Amino acid sequence: GAGVSQTPSNKVTEKGKYVELRCDPISGHTALYWYRQSLGQGPEFLIYFQGTGAADDSGLPNDRFFAVRPEGSVSTLKIQRTERGDSAVYLCASSPDSLGSQYFGPGTRLTVL
Amino acid sequence: GQNIDQPTEMTATEGAIVQINCTYQTSGFNGLFWYQQHAGEAPTFLSYNVLDGLEEKGRFSSFLSRSKGYSYLLLKELQMKDSASYLCAVRGSDQAGTALIFGKGTTLSVSS
Repeated sequence: GAGVSQTPSNKVTEKGKYVELRCDPISGHTALYWYRQSLGQGPEFLIYFQGTGAADDSGLPNDRFFAVRPEGSVSTLKIQRTERGDSAVYLCASSPDSLGSQYFGPGTRLTVL
Repeated sequence: GQNIDQPTEMTATEGAIVQINCTYQTSGFNGLFWYQQHAGEAPTFLSYNVLDGLEEKGRFSSFLSRSKGYSYLLLKELQMKDSASYLCAVRGSDQAGTALIFGKGTTLSVSS
């Protein structure tokens, strides 16, 4: 019964670079969420997947952010042309269905220099 | 708009009882959650309320009043390990009914 896992745990990159953050949800959970948390703030919603499709991407801040979940399990959050303001902890959560409690992974701390 | 308010910080002593309040204004409502988050770690699910009233789970209880847009988390018999941030989150139905809207969190410090 492994929980949600995320890799890498830490990522340091330079402004303008491309990064990919991976999330492996709890086995059997159909719903997957990405959130972003800045210091002293609560998590901020980015995107929600139900199965393979993005059911709600209204939280993505701009078109530099994109996420996929091609087989309905692992998801990758992709950030192009990173900016210093993208520095935050990126959290992934999964739930058994669209109304279940969400279980969070340990997060990826992204630092853009 | 969407707004969730909770106190920024609270302090308490070991063995005491503390109540963390949360008020919310959202365009829809489909459940309220409380999460615990230790520094540098992921949020951990504590409780869920969708109907008015009190939900009790061990030392932790959570209360909801939908008409008042109000919830509280009650922690009894406080222990040092309860020092953490407590996040109130609402599932607002205008976000596909599933994504959570979080408050900024209440940092609880428990001293001996």
